[in-house]
Amino acid sequence: DAKTTQPTSMDCAEGRAANLPCNHSTISGNEYVYWYRQIHSQGPQYIIHGLKNNETNEMASLIITEDRKSSTLILPHATLRDTAVYYCIVSSNTGNQFYFGTGTSLTVIP
Amino acid sequence: SAVISQKPSRDICQRGTSLTIQCQVDSQVTMMFWYRQQPGQSLTLIATANQGSEATYESGFVIDKFPISRPNLTFSTLTVSNMSPEDSSIYLCSVGLAGPGGYTFGSGTRLTVV
Repeated sequence: DAKTTQPTSMDCAEGRAANLPCNHSTISGNEYVYWYRQIHSQGPQYIIHGLKNNETNEMASLIITEDRKSSTLILPHATLRDTAVYYCIVSSNTGNQFYFGTGTSLTVIP
Repeated sequence: SAVISQKPSRDICQRGTSLTIQCQVDSQVTMMFWYRQQPGQSLTLIATANQGSEATYESGFVIDKFPISRPNLTFSTLTVSNMSPEDSSIYLCSVGLAGPGGYTFGSGTRLTVV
């Protein structure tokens, strides 16, 4: 079962930072936080993942709280193409199953 | 990351029939998974396709309805049997490589049962 909770929907102005929160209060010590997004009618796309340190790549930044019970995905300069459903998932590694929660539907507004 | 080819991309089927969906990966992978995404919903894990042994099904999914094959480390099939309109969904294949990292998803099969 999914171990994360996310807001159902969010809006963000184009060009502004989109901050998507995720609660995972029951996360275990060996579990990573993964973020994926799904653009309409496509398969989910990997964005970023982290264990306890903050992470940044060309797509986004991931901020994990010190107690690891929550995290925030940051899209620094949202574009219209970032409109998608964003999923936060916790899993120990790719040897284990991914269970998707309901995700956050992000709409980037011109 | 692995590249997945999933076929067919979409199909319209008559109720009572069966459809087999194929998932081909461009590299050998240990873990392969099948998901269902009902209209407007999130992804639900159907089963883990194990190479050389029976698939491991999640609660609510049974082998008679969703038989899975995994003949080697690059290929798997999911069959949706005795279909009804409630089976209308997108079915997705996913693979994971050893070690912490991202899973890769196929583009999905959009199934409509009439």
